[in-house]
Amino acid sequence: SQTIHQWPATLVQPVGSPLSLECTVEGTSNPNLYWYRQAAGRGLQLLFYSVGIGQISSEVPQNLSASRPQDRQFILSSKKLLLSDSGFYLCAWSGLAGERGDTQYFGPGTRLTVL
Amino acid sequence: SQQGEEDPQALSIQEGENATMNCSYKTSINNLQWYRQNSGRGLVHLILIRSNEREKHSGRLRVTLDTSKKSSSLLITASRAADTASYFCATDLTSGTYKYIFGTGTRLKVLA
Repeated sequence: SQTIHQWPATLVQPVGSPLSLECTVEGTSNPNLYWYRQAAGRGLQLLFYSVGIGQISSEVPQNLSASRPQDRQFILSSKKLLLSDSGFYLCAWSGLAGERGDTQYFGPGTRLTVL
Repeated sequence: SQQGEEDPQALSIQEGENATMNCSYKTSINNLQWYRQNSGRGLVHLILIRSNEREKHSGRLRVTLDTSKKSSSLLITASRAADTASYFCATDLTSGTYKYIFGTGTRLKVLA
């Protein structure tokens, strides 16, 4: 069965510090990978998605970046965090074809607080 | 503006009652999905309905889709306290891109 991991679960960082959030998927190959951010009590904002190694599409211009160094690894980074980067970050994967391919499966999330 | 917007934003009902949530969207879609999120957790997929389908059932869940009105509804029958969560609809924007836009969600509270 497929599983998706995210870490860390919670993170408190000072303004101006770097960020690295990691997401890995097990039990599937060549998934589409996604990073979302959710502000408190709000919906999900799509940040990045990837359809293959080294292929990253950015949806919202900001001081975040994403990388996919391996097929099932997706990393969200920042060189200098802003207060507005605080939020709940969710990683998700989906398959490529068929009904199952349209469903997104989410990780447990990382709660980031920038002080 | 959001592609998908849920209505109402918040809903409070008694256990055993039915809960209905609505989702409206703006552009043509291939499919629409409903997700559930417990507080502080990741989202869990509930049901997917394709643009050529009008109704779909899964257990106590019933989803309808009206593409002419660009709207969908999620009905939870015989609600339980454990159904307390936020519910989101998600729509794809363009065929084959596998991108989904999520609405702002409906916060459902089921009182025991």
